[in-house]
Amino acid sequence: KAGVTQTPRYLIKTRGQQVTLSCSPISGHRSVSWYQQTPGQGLQFLFEYFSETQRNKGNFPGRFSGRQFSNSRSEMNVSTLELGDSALYLCASSPADSRTDTQYFGPGTRLTVL
Amino acid sequence: GQQVMQIPQYQHVQEGEDFTTYCNSSTTLSNIQWYKQRPGGHPVFLIQLVKSGEVKKQKRLTFQFGEAKKNSSLHITATQTTDVGTYFCAGPGGLTGGGNKLTFGTGTQLKVEL
Repeated sequence: KAGVTQTPRYLIKTRGQQVTLSCSPISGHRSVSWYQQTPGQGLQFLFEYFSETQRNKGNFPGRFSGRQFSNSRSEMNVSTLELGDSALYLCASSPADSRTDTQYFGPGTRLTVL
Repeated sequence: GQQVMQIPQYQHVQEGEDFTTYCNSSTTLSNIQWYKQRPGGHPVFLIQLVKSGEVKKQKRLTFQFGEAKKNSSLHITATQTTDVGTYFCAGPGGLTGGGNKLTFGTGTQLKVEL
């Protein structure tokens, strides 16, 4: 099976712009989670989608949003970008509706905000 | 909210030396997972522990889950240069209704010198 794929891999934006990141989970996986990784804050959970519904949400402002499509592919959007949004954005998929599921991470999208 | 701390933050060892990282959660965990992230890479699942006091081994790696299910450790025997990376523990932090939401520890960065 192909792994989790994320596009684009690298992105440079300026403050105030918006950005959309895409994630394709492993075939058959229905849960997609998004994480932000920065040197200062580490790995932080953004949100999780399951069957096109947001099931869990982290403590991020409303500028961060996401959605999931019927084929389980997911997108996340960040509006009105700030310098502090520069980070590695990781998508992870897991197969089933369980709290013990392993997360399979994609390679990430490196976002730089200038 | 739930917090997961790891110590040490950094560890430099000579190849062949042992290494241990410790993980402590502010809340009791139903399970704990360990991930490894190579420099420039993404987190990769290593193992999951579920039972109180559980010990699991993977070749030179030994994982332990505390009796109170609030702490865990990862021990590497005779480190090799291939062990270089950051090791994260992670516990489920989702809503009681289920779902995938991992709270990651702060991570321990391991460097191995020849």
